[in-house]
Amino acid sequence: ELKVEQNPLFLSMQEGKNYTIYCNYSTTSDRLYWYRQDPGKSLESLFVLLSNGAVKQEGRLMASLDTKARLSTLHITAAVHDLSATYFCAVGRNRDDKIIFGKGTRLHILP
Amino acid sequence: NAGVTQTPKFQVLKTGQSMTLQCAQDMNHNSMYWYRQDPGMGLRLIYYSASEGTTDKGEVPNGYNVSRLNKREFSLRLESAAPSQTSVYFCASSAASSYNSPLHFGNGTRLTVT
Repeated sequence: ELKVEQNPLFLSMQEGKNYTIYCNYSTTSDRLYWYRQDPGKSLESLFVLLSNGAVKQEGRLMASLDTKARLSTLHITAAVHDLSATYFCAVGRNRDDKIIFGKGTRLHILP
Repeated sequence: NAGVTQTPKFQVLKTGQSMTLQCAQDMNHNSMYWYRQDPGMGLRLIYYSASEGTTDKGEVPNGYNVSRLNKREFSLRLESAAPSQTSVYFCASSAASSYNSPLHFGNGTRLTVT
């Protein structure tokens, strides 16, 4: 059964600090997604990672994928208040197109 | 470009009533999904459709039915609504799984069952 676990579920941090959100999944998957959601809004795609060792960066966010460890990380560099949001990871399988989400990490960045 | 359109945006139902949530996408995507979002639970997959004419159960299918009417439209039906189905429902679509394509989400339907 495909399961996704994120940690931490809640993170409060100071502006300017670095931190990492972790995403573990239970069985082999083909795609790993990261999304951002602001309160009361829909989900916005950040990254799609397909292969082992894949790394993608956008501004202060960097995502990586280790398929052997079944682990993806979302690293935040020198956090700013605008990055406060809930971040979700999700995994997908090509054989049936099922996509399962983690519970999300609520990130609160203090000015 | 509208993307993924969900209707209605808000709905209040009484226990036992039925309703259909509509979803349409204009991106020619093969795959479509219905999720529900509850506080502290993330997004849970209700049903999905990998292509026109096929549907499959997700993590929490009980109490719901779906129809993939054509490539554009994927509807979610609650036959007899229960308070436990109070939630925010998101529809999403994606291109074929072999491509580097994210899920595109609609704006959600906020459903309250009293």
